[in-house]
Amino acid sequence: SQQGEEDPQALSIQEGENATMNCSYKTSINNLQWYRQNSGRGLVHLILIRSNEREKHSGRLRVTLDTSKKSSSLLITASRAADTASYFCATASMNSGYSTLTFGKGTMLLVSP
Amino acid sequence: DGGITQSPKYLFRKEGQNVTLSCEQNLNHDAMYWYRQDPGQGLRLIYYSQIVNDFQKGDIAEGYSVSREKKESFPLTVTSAQKNPTAFYLCASSITGGGEKLFFGSGTQLSVL
Repeated sequence: SQQGEEDPQALSIQEGENATMNCSYKTSINNLQWYRQNSGRGLVHLILIRSNEREKHSGRLRVTLDTSKKSSSLLITASRAADTASYFCATASMNSGYSTLTFGKGTMLLVSP
Repeated sequence: DGGITQSPKYLFRKEGQNVTLSCEQNLNHDAMYWYRQDPGQGLRLIYYSQIVNDFQKGDIAEGYSVSREKKESFPLTVTSAQKNPTAFYLCASSITGGGEKLFFGSGTQLSVL
């Protein structure tokens, strides 16, 4: 079952602009992660935020988590053409004693030069 | 270099045929996973393994089988019972199975002839 839902489905911006993607989920989580996927390739982990954290930064990335609203946002500042990719949120929840990741459908980001 | 290797990159299956996708990791990770990705969709979990000689069904295990005889290897067999096998298959690993970040291979595109 798909837990996270990203919004928007697609986003087109110019180089230098900021890009914001949102993720909503339904059940309680241990952590939330963001991944990036270039076309036809595997996913690359970007950042992990735990359920007791509210904000995290990594380079040009800023992630927020609001557990009361069951939502997260990923902000990419000063975007570059190389940031063009699909971005997925994934939530980690306990399931029968194991913790697995459940992925959303992703946001396709196009950054034009 | 440490990483996850998936092979082949492209695979074609005839009707009624079983095919096996290879996944090998040299990261010394305990946990390994198989995900399926359909166009424009997120990832759906097929099977996962927390330790050698143990594996669990994910959300869409029907028509698939796995084995985990060695820590480094987690092959996925797509059986003839899987009626809609065309998809992009991704293998991943993590240090343990606690919902921490995943490391992905570069994927195998499976198509039906």
